Amino acid sequence: NAGVTQTPKFQVLKTGQSMTLQCAQDMNHNSMYWYRQDPGMGLRLIYYSASEGTTDKGEVPNGYNVSRLNKREFSLRLESAAPSQTSVYFCASRARPGQGREAFFGQGTRLTVV
Amino acid sequence: KQEVTQIPAALSVPEGENLVLNCSFTDSAIYNLQWFRQDPGKGLTSLLLIQSSQREQTSGRLNASLDKSSGRSTLYIAASQPGDSATYLCAVPTSRQLTFGSGTQLTVLP
Repeated sequence: NAGVTQTPKFQVLKTGQSMTLQCAQDMNHNSMYWYRQDPGMGLRLIYYSASEGTTDKGEVPNGYNVSRLNKREFSLRLESAAPSQTSVYFCASRARPGQGREAFFGQGTRLTVV
Repeated sequence: KQEVTQIPAALSVPEGENLVLNCSFTDSAIYNLQWFRQDPGKGLTSLLLIQSSQREQTSGRLNASLDKSSGRSTLYIAASQPGDSATYLCAVPTSRQLTFGSGTQLTVLP
């Protein structure tokens, strides 16, 4: 009963380093999302993928890139990490775009950039 | 643009008390509203999804209500327990994403 799985759970990067956050879902969902959660800012959408082969920018996309590798997997890449990207990152999925379906979240990746 | 507000930001109650968490949204043209629970350092766990055609949805000691016309939803927790201590978030979907409130941090004191 995995649902949405994120790796890694924790990561410390130095400024300028790159890394990829991985996300996979086993619910055959079409839509996948990347959010970041910061104290006082709540959850903000970075990128989303309405279906396999499509990606779109969310509210805070600068400094990030994404890849929808297949229907199951949606990765988030930081090309040159900055301290402002210190945050908790959540991946989510939903059966399809639009407003009618329940969303499910992974357990998060806690990223610190020093 | 949809805006979601949760008041209060924090709530502390003694064990056994019934309590209500509030969520308000600015655009009443919604299809559903979802309540989540987040434990410290953990992810978001879906509690209830209430469709716009429903007025209430129940799961165990939890009951969510939705009033689209007034732009409000409430999450009622009956007979609260220390294990209910967590942050509760409400979220409203758009075609692109979920818009979240900032959450209510609940502490249930033994």
